[in-house]
Amino acid sequence: AQSVTQLGSHVSVSEGALVLLRCNYSSSVPPYLFWYVQYPNQGLQLLLKYTSAATLVKGINGFEAEFKKSETSFHLTKPSAHMSDAAEYFCAVSDRRTGANNLFFGTGTRLTVIP
Amino acid sequence: GAGVSQSPSNKVTEKGKDVELRCDPISGHTALYWYRQSLGQGLEFLIYFQGNSAPDKSGLPSDRFSAERTGGSVSTLTIQRTQQEDSAVYLCASSFPPGEQYFGPGTRLTVT
Repeated sequence: AQSVTQLGSHVSVSEGALVLLRCNYSSSVPPYLFWYVQYPNQGLQLLLKYTSAATLVKGINGFEAEFKKSETSFHLTKPSAHMSDAAEYFCAVSDRRTGANNLFFGTGTRLTVIP
Repeated sequence: GAGVSQSPSNKVTEKGKDVELRCDPISGHTALYWYRQSLGQGLEFLIYFQGNSAPDKSGLPSDRFSAERTGGSVSTLTIQRTQQEDSAVYLCASSFPPGEQYFGPGTRLTVT
């Protein structure tokens, strides 16, 4: 079964500081990997996705993530945090072997940006 | 264009009642998904429809939950004999595989 683990349910950074949100997956075959963001009282919005092309994936709002097979990781980063980045972030995986498109989500990381 | 819409946005019901939640996917999207977001369980996959194929119901938590998709478009998630543990935000998403899933704003269900 596919699963992802997000380390840290809450992360706080100062405005302008580096954002690093961690995600590790468990699968013998590299899956498709996604990062979603959820702003308060809103639905989920896709930030970026990895589907076996370039291992460094650039997304919206200045975020990027690097797929590292050796570490089974797909950490999300942004060089400089903005106040508007405060939200909850979810890492998700889908199983490329079955072709199924349903997503399995991590437990989420709430990002707080301190002015 | 219009995104995924869900109705109602909020639903309060008494324990034991049945509820129906509606999802209108993006026009032309062949795949439709239901997820549940709750404090205790995080975001869980419930059910997945793809075209005319039999739905993947592997995420439904009990036989009180069912869903249908009429005409390959609108979907209804039905919860029978609601329990307090059913309180959650129910999210619908649609996609044109292998494209990304677009999520609706969700329906917040509260069972009293």
